[in-house]
Amino acid sequence: GENVEQHPSTLSVQEGDSAVIKCTYSDSASNYFPWYKQELGKRPQLIIDIRSNVGEKKDQRIAVTLNKTAKHFSLHITETQPEDSAVYFCAAEGDYKLSFGAGTTVTVRA
Amino acid sequence: ETGVTQTPRHLVMGMTNKKSLKCEQHLGHNAMYWYKQSAKKPLELMFVYNFKEQTENNSVPSRFSPECPNSSHLFLHLHTLQPEDSALYLCASSHAGGNTYEQYFGPGTRLTVT
Repeated sequence: GENVEQHPSTLSVQEGDSAVIKCTYSDSASNYFPWYKQELGKRPQLIIDIRSNVGEKKDQRIAVTLNKTAKHFSLHITETQPEDSAVYFCAAEGDYKLSFGAGTTVTVRA
Repeated sequence: ETGVTQTPRHLVMGMTNKKSLKCEQHLGHNAMYWYKQSAKKPLELMFVYNFKEQTENNSVPSRFSPECPNSSHLFLHLHTLQPEDSALYLCASSHAGGNTYEQYFGPGTRLTVT
Protein backbone atom coordinates (compact mmCIF):
# COMPACT_ATOMS: atom_id res chain seq x y z
CA GLY A 1 0.00 0.00 0.00
CA GLU A 2 0.85 3.67 -0.10
CA ASN A 3 3.36 5.04 2.43
CA VAL A 4 3.56 8.78 2.99
CA GLU A 5 6.34 10.45 4.97
CA GLN A 6 6.15 14.07 6.05
CA HIS A 7 8.85 16.45 7.30
CA PRO A 8 9.42 18.32 9.48
CA SER A 9 7.20 17.24 12.36
CA THR A 10 7.32 20.74 13.86
CA LEU A 11 8.05 24.09 12.27
CA SER A 12 8.34 27.48 13.93
CA VAL A 13 8.49 30.57 11.73
CA GLN A 14 8.49 34.31 12.28
CA GLU A 15 5.37 36.08 11.12
CA GLY A 16 5.84 37.19 7.55
CA ASP A 17 8.37 34.48 6.71
CA SER A 18 7.69 31.45 4.52
CA ALA A 19 7.01 27.89 5.64
CA VAL A 20 7.73 24.76 3.61
CA ILE A 21 6.53 21.23 4.38
CA LYS A 22 7.70 18.26 2.34
CA CYS A 23 6.16 14.85 1.75
CA THR A 24 7.28 11.74 -0.09
CA TYR A 25 5.12 8.86 -1.25
CA SER A 26 5.79 5.32 -2.39
CA ASP A 27 3.09 4.38 -4.92
CA SER A 28 4.02 5.69 -8.35
CA ALA A 29 0.40 5.16 -9.46
CA SER A 30 -0.91 7.81 -7.04
CA ASN A 31 -2.28 10.85 -8.84
CA TYR A 32 -4.05 12.98 -6.25
CA PHE A 33 -2.29 14.82 -3.42
CA PRO A 34 -4.34 16.95 -1.00
CA TRP A 35 -3.19 19.04 1.93
CA TYR A 36 -5.32 19.42 5.05
CA LYS A 37 -5.10 21.99 7.83
CA GLN A 38 -6.28 21.09 11.32
CA GLU A 39 -6.57 23.85 13.88
CA LEU A 40 -6.58 22.94 17.56
CA GLY A 41 -9.78 21.15 18.49
CA LYS A 42 -11.19 21.33 14.97
CA ARG A 43 -11.63 18.99 12.04
CA PRO A 44 -9.09 18.63 9.21
CA GLN A 45 -10.03 20.89 6.29
CA LEU A 46 -8.77 20.72 2.74
CA ILE A 47 -6.73 23.79 1.86
CA ILE A 48 -5.25 22.86 -1.50
CA ASP A 49 -4.75 19.81 -3.68
CA ILE A 50 -2.85 18.87 -6.81
CA ARG A 51 -3.24 16.19 -9.43
CA SER A 52 -0.46 14.44 -11.23
CA ASN A 53 -1.02 16.22 -14.52
CA VAL A 54 0.31 19.53 -13.11
CA GLY A 55 3.55 20.43 -11.38
CA GLU A 56 2.43 23.42 -9.34
CA LYS A 57 -0.74 25.02 -8.07
CA LYS A 58 -1.24 28.30 -6.21
CA ASP A 59 -4.05 29.76 -4.16
CA GLN A 60 -3.22 33.17 -2.70
CA ARG A 61 -0.49 32.62 -0.10
CA ILE A 62 -0.32 28.84 -0.41
CA ALA A 63 1.16 26.76 -3.18
CA VAL A 64 1.88 23.10 -3.75
CA THR A 65 4.53 21.59 -6.00
CA LEU A 66 4.71 18.02 -7.23
CA ASN A 67 7.65 16.05 -8.59
CA LYS A 68 6.28 12.74 -9.84
CA THR A 69 9.66 11.43 -10.89
CA ALA A 70 11.07 11.85 -7.40
CA LYS A 71 7.71 11.05 -5.77
CA HIS A 72 7.62 14.07 -3.54
CA PHE A 73 5.39 17.09 -3.11
CA SER A 74 5.62 20.19 -0.97
CA LEU A 75 3.40 22.84 0.60
CA HIS A 76 4.60 26.44 0.59
CA ILE A 77 3.03 29.14 2.73
CA THR A 78 4.25 32.68 2.09
CA GLU A 79 3.86 35.76 4.30
CA THR A 80 2.79 33.62 7.23
CA GLN A 81 0.24 34.99 9.67
CA PRO A 82 -0.75 33.91 13.19
CA GLU A 83 -3.88 32.21 11.83
CA ASP A 84 -1.63 29.87 9.83
CA SER A 85 -0.65 28.18 13.11
CA ALA A 86 -2.10 24.64 12.90
CA VAL A 87 -1.22 21.05 12.09
CA TYR A 88 -0.85 20.38 8.37
CA PHE A 89 -1.28 16.93 6.84
CA CYS A 90 -0.29 15.79 3.40
CA ALA A 91 -1.94 12.81 1.76
CA ALA A 92 -1.62 10.70 -1.35
CA GLU A 93 -4.30 8.73 -3.10
CA GLY A 94 -3.68 5.06 -3.72
CA ASP A 95 -6.20 2.28 -4.41
CA TYR A 96 -9.02 4.86 -4.24
CA LYS A 97 -8.20 5.86 -0.66
CA LEU A 98 -6.02 8.46 1.01
CA SER A 99 -2.90 7.72 3.04
CA PHE A 100 -1.84 10.57 5.32
CA GLY A 101 1.48 11.84 6.55
CA ALA A 102 2.08 12.16 10.29
CA GLY A 103 1.48 15.91 10.26
CA THR A 104 3.52 19.07 10.76
CA THR A 105 2.77 21.40 13.65
CA VAL A 106 3.34 24.93 12.39
CA THR A 107 3.71 27.77 14.87
CA VAL A 108 3.85 31.33 13.59
CA ARG A 109 5.64 33.65 16.05
CA ALA A 110 4.39 37.23 16.25
CA GLU B 1 -25.57 21.79 10.83
CA THR B 2 -24.44 21.12 7.30
CA GLY B 3 -21.61 19.00 5.96
CA VAL B 4 -20.53 16.06 8.08
CA THR B 5 -21.78 15.74 11.65
CA GLN B 6 -20.72 13.36 14.39
CA THR B 7 -22.24 12.45 17.74
CA PRO B 8 -21.33 12.33 20.49
CA ARG B 9 -18.47 14.84 20.47
CA HIS B 10 -16.99 13.39 23.66
CA LEU B 11 -17.34 9.91 25.12
CA VAL B 12 -15.87 8.29 28.22
CA MET B 13 -16.44 4.57 28.54
CA GLY B 14 -15.21 1.69 30.60
CA MET B 15 -13.61 -1.36 29.06
CA THR B 16 -16.74 -3.43 29.55
CA ASN B 17 -19.18 -0.91 28.06
CA LYS B 18 -20.85 -0.96 24.67
CA LYS B 19 -21.35 2.32 22.86
CA SER B 20 -21.86 3.58 19.32
CA LEU B 21 -20.53 6.55 17.39
CA LYS B 22 -22.72 8.14 14.75
CA CYS B 23 -21.81 10.02 11.60
CA GLU B 24 -24.14 11.72 9.14
CA GLN B 25 -23.28 13.51 5.91
CA HIS B 26 -25.48 16.05 4.16
CA LEU B 27 -23.34 16.43 1.03
CA GLY B 28 -24.87 13.84 -1.27
CA HIS B 29 -21.72 11.73 -1.11
CA ASN B 30 -21.70 7.96 -1.54
CA ALA B 31 -18.49 7.00 0.23
CA MET B 32 -17.88 7.23 3.97
CA TYR B 33 -14.82 6.58 6.11
CA TRP B 34 -13.78 6.05 9.71
CA TYR B 35 -10.34 7.28 10.80
CA LYS B 36 -8.54 7.05 14.12
CA GLN B 37 -6.38 10.02 15.10
CA SER B 38 -3.90 9.47 17.92
CA ALA B 39 -1.32 11.95 19.16
CA LYS B 40 1.88 12.07 17.09
CA LYS B 41 0.59 9.52 14.57
CA PRO B 42 -0.77 9.77 11.04
CA LEU B 43 -4.48 9.55 10.50
CA GLU B 44 -5.23 5.82 10.45
CA LEU B 45 -7.88 4.66 8.02
CA MET B 46 -10.12 2.09 9.68
CA PHE B 47 -13.05 1.40 7.36
CA VAL B 48 -14.34 2.50 3.97
CA TYR B 49 -17.88 2.18 2.65
CA ASN B 50 -18.77 2.79 -0.99
CA PHE B 51 -22.47 2.81 -1.82
CA LYS B 52 -23.18 1.19 1.60
CA GLU B 53 -20.79 -1.68 0.92
CA GLN B 54 -17.67 -2.10 3.00
CA THR B 55 -14.67 -1.97 0.70
CA GLU B 56 -11.88 -1.60 3.23
CA ASN B 57 -11.17 -3.03 6.66
CA ASN B 58 -7.69 -1.94 7.55
CA SER B 59 -6.90 -4.79 9.96
CA VAL B 60 -9.07 -3.24 12.63
CA PRO B 61 -9.74 -5.33 15.77
CA SER B 62 -13.18 -6.89 15.97
CA ARG B 63 -14.04 -4.78 19.03
CA PHE B 64 -14.76 -2.06 16.45
CA SER B 65 -17.78 -2.89 14.30
CA PRO B 66 -18.94 -0.53 11.56
CA GLU B 67 -22.44 -0.23 10.14
CA CYS B 68 -23.60 1.72 7.12
CA PRO B 69 -27.39 1.50 6.71
CA ASN B 70 -27.44 4.04 3.85
CA SER B 71 -25.10 6.40 2.02
CA SER B 72 -25.76 9.22 4.51
CA HIS B 73 -25.21 7.43 7.81
CA LEU B 74 -22.28 5.58 9.30
CA PHE B 75 -21.95 4.03 12.74
CA LEU B 76 -19.04 2.62 14.70
CA HIS B 77 -20.10 0.17 17.38
CA LEU B 78 -17.64 -0.21 20.24
CA HIS B 79 -17.36 -3.02 22.78
CA THR B 80 -14.72 -4.26 25.23
CA LEU B 81 -12.30 -1.53 24.23
CA GLN B 82 -8.79 -1.09 25.59
CA PRO B 83 -7.18 2.07 27.00
CA GLU B 84 -5.00 2.32 23.88
CA ASP B 85 -8.18 2.81 21.85
CA SER B 86 -8.52 6.28 23.37
CA ALA B 87 -8.25 8.71 20.46
CA LEU B 88 -10.16 11.11 18.25
CA TYR B 89 -12.38 9.19 15.83
CA LEU B 90 -13.06 11.09 12.63
CA CYS B 91 -15.68 10.36 10.04
CA ALA B 92 -15.30 11.59 6.47
CA SER B 93 -17.26 11.40 3.24
CA SER B 94 -16.55 11.84 -0.45
CA HIS B 95 -17.84 11.01 -3.89
CA ALA B 96 -16.93 7.42 -4.74
CA GLY B 97 -15.13 6.71 -7.98
CA GLY B 98 -14.68 9.30 -10.65
CA ASN B 99 -11.70 11.59 -10.63
CA THR B 100 -11.92 13.16 -7.21
CA TYR B 101 -11.12 11.86 -3.77
CA GLU B 102 -11.67 15.08 -1.82
CA GLN B 103 -12.79 14.04 1.62
CA TYR B 104 -14.80 16.17 4.01
CA PHE B 105 -14.30 15.46 7.69
CA GLY B 106 -16.66 15.60 10.61
CA PRO B 107 -15.66 17.26 13.90
CA GLY B 108 -14.74 13.96 15.48
CA THR B 109 -15.61 12.08 18.66
CA ARG B 110 -13.01 12.32 21.43
CA LEU B 111 -13.07 8.85 23.01
CA THR B 112 -11.52 8.05 26.37
CA VAL B 113 -11.44 4.44 27.54
CA THR B 114 -10.95 4.04 31.28
